[in-house]
Amino acid sequence: QVNLVQSGPEVKRPGASVKVSCRASGYSFPIFGLNWVRQAPGQGLEWMGWISGYNGNTNYAQKFQGRVTMTTDTSTSTAYMELRSLTSDDTAVYYCSRTKYYESSGYFDYWGQGTLVTVSS
Amino acid sequence: SYELTQSPSLSVSPGQTARITCSGGNLGNKYVCWYQQKPGQSPVVVIYHDTQRPSGIPERFSGSSSGNTATLTISGTQAMDEADYYCQAWDSSSASVFGGGTKLTVL
Repeated sequence: QVNLVQSGPEVKRPGASVKVSCRASGYSFPIFGLNWVRQAPGQGLEWMGWISGYNGNTNYAQKFQGRVTMTTDTSTSTAYMELRSLTSDDTAVYYCSRTKYYESSGYFDYWGQGTLVTVSS
Repeated sequence: SYELTQSPSLSVSPGQTARITCSGGNLGNKYVCWYQQKPGQSPVVVIYHDTQRPSGIPERFSGSSSGNTATLTISGTQAMDEADYYCQAWDSSSASVFGGGTKLTVL
């Protein structure tokens, strides 16, 4: 069965960087793209960007361009999301989710368990 | 940037029909998905491509779209349906957008 397993919780100082991993299993990694979605405490879902499992192409949300880098390691079927210059506003649960393509669109059919990133001095 | 608007909250009694709406400019030309999220859990897709229900999702969940509004309907709402619901669509630059979420209370 499809499984997305994320790395553990992180505590970072303001100004630091964080790198979260998402290891995929149960499907052919290159066929699907992966998204990163975050959720601040008590807030809604916020899409950060997408990366192709096939060739590493990315599409970042405008809000995060210049501050986020998404990569993949196809040898281990793992996706990574690095966010730099952290502030307290980046405190959130970060999710990876798989894009399931359907006709001319797509939806997020599997999600990781989430990684809590806390930014605090 | 593209925005999707949802009402923050909705309350229904058990057995009633809950209708959660999502509005956005030109939404009728996009496909909408709906996600259910219970406290402390990852989101789960309940409707994709406006009206499609994934396997394992109860038949009481249905979706529709008309004009600039998409609707998630839960018929015969049960206590277990109490959750936050988010609509989601893709904009013209292939960026995903979520609505602000609707907290459904079943009481």
